Amino acid sequence: EIVLTQSPDFQSVTPKEKVTITCRASLSIGSSLHWYQQKADQSPKLLIRYASQSVSGVPSRFSGSGSGTDFTLTINSLEAEDAAAYYCHQSGSLPWTFGQGTKVEIK
Amino acid sequence: QVQLQESGPGLVKPSQTLSLTCTVSGGSISSGSYYWSWIRQPAGKGLEWTGRIYTSGGTTYNPSLKSRVTMSVDTSKNQFSLKLSSVTAADTAVYYCARHNGYDDSSGWDAFDIWGRGTMVTVSS
Repeated sequence: EIVLTQSPDFQSVTPKEKVTITCRASLSIGSSLHWYQQKADQSPKLLIRYASQSVSGVPSRFSGSGSGTDFTLTINSLEAEDAAAYYCHQSGSLPWTFGQGTKVEIK
Repeated sequence: QVQLQESGPGLVKPSQTLSLTCTVSGGSISSGSYYWSWIRQPAGKGLEWTGRIYTSGGTTYNPSLKSRVTMSVDTSKNQFSLKLSSVTAADTAVYYCARHNGYDDSSGWDAFDIWGRGTMVTVSS
């Protein structure tokens, strides 16, 4: 099973700051890495697919990069509505797995 | 727009079988090359993929649950279902159903693009 390790676990950020969340896979998964945002008491929402592909309807301040084992989600100019937990997910190897999550708090 | 809605008992006794259904609305469960998954999340914790099913009935389960999981699809009702047997308190979680595209030779397996709202299931006597 591929283990996805996110860092940091928690981040407290002021609005307009840049946020960077990393996801490291225990084995290479190519670009089969996706990012989700989960706000309190809501279901996850797809932000980025295949490491760097944008998703229709998602604000352009969200971007992704990486391949192989190291991936990054970047939120440029954080807004108050971005307070949420963020999860990476790999579909490169069965069983599919998720990272433990990164909680982003707005100061 | 396609929407997913989970339904089923919110309370299940230990050792019994958890049964949930996901109803697809706004589109046919058989259209396109979509697969349908169940994902669960214990309170305050991360996400765990349980398995997936295709409209042909083909399934892939997470080995951590494989001996206890059964998924099925009813295209006439536009629904797919999850059964988890011999449940314990560790199976207490919010259960989500979700959709993803099938395998693409150049890109691989796609992300979960549509999720249900989730349904809380508590295992307790």
